[in-house]
Order: sequence, then C-alpha cells, then structure tokens
Amino acid sequence: EIVLTQSPGTLSLSPGDRATLSCRASQSVGSNFLAWFQQKPGQAPRHLIFAASSRDAGIPDRFSGSGSGTDFTLTISRLEPEDFAVYYCQQYGSTPGTFGQGTKVEIK
Amino acid sequence: QTHLQESGPGLVKPSETLSLTCTVSGYSVNSDYFWGWIRQSPGKGLEWIGSVSHTGNTYYNPSLRSRVTISLDTSKNQFSLNLKSVTVADTALYYCVRGMSSPAAAGFWGQGTLVTVSS
Repeated sequence: EIVLTQSPGTLSLSPGDRATLSCRASQSVGSNFLAWFQQKPGQAPRHLIFAASSRDAGIPDRFSGSGSGTDFTLTISRLEPEDFAVYYCQQYGSTPGTFGQGTKVEIK
Repeated sequence: QTHLQESGPGLVKPSETLSLTCTVSGYSVNSDYFWGWIRQSPGKGLEWIGSVSHTGNTYYNPSLRSRVTISLDTSKNQFSLNLKSVTVADTALYYCVRGMSSPAAAGFWGQGTLVTVSS
C-alpha cells in the first residue's frame, strides 16, 4: 500500500499568513488521485481538493493544491480564522486508499 | 441535496459482529458512484475500510478483508458494513462516504457514528 507522510506535524501561524502543507507518497499516486481534507473538532472531514489540484464545489479560492507523482502541496494563501484545523491528504489512485497522519494548523 | 446517515449499535461486544447501515437520501445508490466506509481512531488515524460500486462490485482493505462485508440494498437506498470478530482495536468513529472516479475516493461524508467495542 502507498504510505503518505505529511509535514510538518504542526504549523503555528497567524491569520493572514500563508500556509504550505506537504504530502509525500512512498510511490507514485495513480492518475494523481490525491485529495485534501480539512477536519475540525467534532466534525467529519471536509473535502477540499481532488485530483491534486481541483477545488471541490464551494471551497474558497484561497485553498489550492499542486503536485504530481509523489510530492503534493496544499497552500492556503491567506489564513482566515476558520481555517485553523487539521488537514489530511489521501491517495485514492489505488486500493487500499490511504491517508496521511495529518498536519495541524494552529494559531500562533 | 444528497445526505448520508449512519446508523447502528454504539456498543459491540468483543468477538461479535459490528453492523452499520448508511441511509442515502437525495441520490439513488444504483445510479453511479462508489459507496464506502472509513473509520477514524486516535491510534490508527483515518483508515479506508472498503467500498461497493453502484453495480455491486466490492473492494476491501487487505488488512480487514477476512472480516469485512460491504453490500448495497437498492430497495432501501442503503448500503451496509459488517465487520466480524471485533476486538477493542475496532473501536472508532465510522463514516460512510460517497466517491467518484475510484473505489477509494471519498468526496462526500456522513456525520459519523461512534462504535465502542467493550464487554
């Protein structure tokens, strides 16, 4: 199975800052089927990005995804107060689908 | 507007079978998509359990394959998860999901249901 490693584990930033989250795969992700999710306490994960760089409906354009093969990035251009949460990447290009361990974006 | 709602016992005894149902509203499960289950626990993070296609083909995580069955009930517009021989390690928040493009895709989630395995 493909192992996804996210870095950093925690990102301490201020509102208005730019956030850059990394997701590295142990082998190439098929069709670049890499998704990003946001999760807040007590809530289900929210689907932000699919196919590495496509935003889901209703997702603000301050969220952007990039990358291919084994290296992927989620960028939040200017952090809003509601963006402080845990972010997960998931590859769904092959089964079993696998998730990274998460990056927590916290208020500095 | 599509809605997914998990239901089932919140407490299961060790060695018994965990059974959950996901009721889908706003979309027919036999029209398209993959319908799956993902669980989340503090120890193991997010884990893809498996899925069933709208045509009834199933896909399972090899780590759980010997214990898992996922099936579609088109008459009730539901799909279900059965996990047999559970242990405390199966205690988790269980989510039903809908995905497109691939069996492991998860673009739309239910709110989740907590299942505790304990005697």
